[in-house]
Amino acid sequence: DGGITQSPKYLFRKEGQNVTLSCEQNLNHDAMYWYRQDPGQGLRLIYYSQIVNDFQKGDIAEGYSVSREKKESFPLTVTSAQKNPTAFYLCASTPLEHSGSPLHFGNGTRLTVT
Amino acid sequence: GQQLNQSPQSMFIQEGEDVSMNCTSSSIFNTWLWYKQDPGEGPVLLIALYKAGELTSNGRLTAQFGITRKDSFLNISASIPSDVGIYFCAGQSAGGTSYGKLTFGQGTILTVHP
Repeated sequence: DGGITQSPKYLFRKEGQNVTLSCEQNLNHDAMYWYRQDPGQGLRLIYYSQIVNDFQKGDIAEGYSVSREKKESFPLTVTSAQKNPTAFYLCASTPLEHSGSPLHFGNGTRLTVT
Repeated sequence: GQQLNQSPQSMFIQEGEDVSMNCTSSSIFNTWLWYKQDPGEGPVLLIALYKAGELTSNGRLTAQFGITRKDSFLNISASIPSDVGIYFCAGQSAGGTSYGKLTFGQGTILTVHP
């Protein structure tokens, strides 16, 4: 079955450590996105990539980094510079075949930093 | 940046009742999307709207793209317990660097009492 796989489902880290969240898709989608979700708030865009080896900052990119070396993969690193990293992180993709292609989401990674 | 105001923030209803929620924007969107999110999962697309004035149904769900292109509503008829979850609206602009990026509302938490 085609889809978006995020791993792990739950992640625990100590403050000051970098951590990388995995996102893989086998939908052959061009664009991939990372969103952060906090209670009572909508999803906020961290980074996105529309083509391999290229990516752009979203609305809340500070303290995060990404890479897009392969079409299928878009890992997100939460660095120690991110002041409030505990959140639910969602990866998404879209084919960009036409304007307005809906995003398809993975099932998220819940990161807890103590 | 663009902002979406989604209301109500939460709803507590009895099974069988109808539900209505809406989103308004300070900017024009070319696409409106409605997603549902179950606890601990990623959002799942319910309805996509691509034209101003468009009214689209998906089973017991009906959504409309406002004529001004700055608002949208979602109705759920005859609610059932499995309708419980968080409903998000999302608007998408077309063209330029915003291509494929979504702006999300804050979400409506729906609780259905049997």
